[in-house]
Amino acid sequence: GDSVTQMEGPVTLSEEAFLTINCTYTATGYPSLFWYVQYPGEGLQLLLKATKADDKGSNKGFEATYRKETTSFHLEKGSVQVSDSAVYFCALSDPNTGGFKTIFGAGTRLFVKA
Amino acid sequence: DADVTQTPRNRITKTGKRIMLECSQTKGHDRMYWYRQDPGLGLRLIYYSFDVKDINKGEISDGYSVSRQAQAKFSLSLESAIPNQTALYFCATSDFIWGGEQFFGPGTRLTVL
Repeated sequence: GDSVTQMEGPVTLSEEAFLTINCTYTATGYPSLFWYVQYPGEGLQLLLKATKADDKGSNKGFEATYRKETTSFHLEKGSVQVSDSAVYFCALSDPNTGGFKTIFGAGTRLFVKA
Repeated sequence: DADVTQTPRNRITKTGKRIMLECSQTKGHDRMYWYRQDPGLGLRLIYYSFDVKDINKGEISDGYSVSRQAQAKFSLSLESAIPNQTALYFCATSDFIWGGEQFFGPGTRLTVL
């Protein structure tokens, strides 16, 4: 079945450091890929998404590129801020399951120090 | 006002008690979902509903039941709570567009003693 694997956390960085959170997926079709972010005490919210191969999703300085050849969707940011401290979830939505079920990775907690 | 609301936000109960978690949305979406979040396991789908007449089990439905009272309301019940149901529970909604995002409520933290 479909699955999402993302790097274990926590990830601890200093402010202005470069961030990469790795995500790989397994799917039978051509899924849409997402990154969601969960700030302390809140629900998840969409950070960015990509719906087909080679698409790049971007938002708030974060980027991720849909790489079909490596089945990856790594999240990057050039210069993190303390306010980026949160849990990040990689996810996919597979059209072969009707596209309505989203499969989430385990989440990666990011701590950014001032 | 929030688009997706959940009540209660926190609940402590005892083993064997019946618990209901409620979710309301103002986004006008037909699709609604219940997830539980456990540390290191991400989000796991409990139940989902495409409309008022459609209810489907997710990957971990045992011990849970749901009711879709209206397009805007989707409740989750634990008929007889047990300690391993201690978790953070999220309600979410989405529209019918494939690949669209889900919109989450703020969560209910449930502790079963």
